[in-house]
Amino acid sequence: SQTIHQWPATLVQPVGSPLSLECTVEGTSNPNLYWYRQAAGRGLQLLFYSVGIGQISSEVPQNLSASRPQDRQFILSSKKLLLSDSGFYLCAWSVGAGLYNEQFFGPGTRLTVL
Amino acid sequence: GQNIDQPTEMTATEGAIVQINCTYQTSGFNGLFWYQQHAGEAPTFLSYNVLDGLEEKGRFSSFLSRSKGYSYLLLKELQMKDSASYLCAVRDLGQNFVFGPGTRLSVLP
Repeated sequence: SQTIHQWPATLVQPVGSPLSLECTVEGTSNPNLYWYRQAAGRGLQLLFYSVGIGQISSEVPQNLSASRPQDRQFILSSKKLLLSDSGFYLCAWSVGAGLYNEQFFGPGTRLTVL
Repeated sequence: GQNIDQPTEMTATEGAIVQINCTYQTSGFNGLFWYQQHAGEAPTFLSYNVLDGLEEKGRFSSFLSRSKGYSYLLLKELQMKDSASYLCAVRDLGQNFVFGPGTRLSVLP
């Protein structure tokens, strides 16, 4: 069966510090991978998605970046965090073709920037 | 552009039926999804519609009308554990999922 891991679960960082959130998927090959951010009481905002190794599409220009060094690994990074980067970060995956390719979400990382 | 609308909040009584509506305007359409999200947790998949009509799965049903850009999620025999946010999402012709703002449902005893 497929599983998706995210870490850390919670993170408190000062403004201006760097960030690295990691997401890995098990049990599937060549998944589409996504990073979302959800601010308190708000909907999901798509940040990045990737259809393959080294292929990253950015949906919202900001101080975040993403990388996909391996097929089932997706990393979200920042060189300098802003207060507005606080939120619940969710990694998700889906398969590339066929019906019922809903997204499956990881447990999320709650980031607080102080 | 991409736009998905849902009511912000709804309240219903335990044992009752509630319908959560979703309207969408997207550049392409390749399926509509409903997710449940409890506070502080990740969304979990509930249902999927790609053709017009009703899909039933236990106490949950979802309806789609592509010509109207409209869907609803129907929850029957409400339980306290159904208190959560319900997210409507549309998959476009690529691999993107566009999410609505979510509807926070409170089930009262």
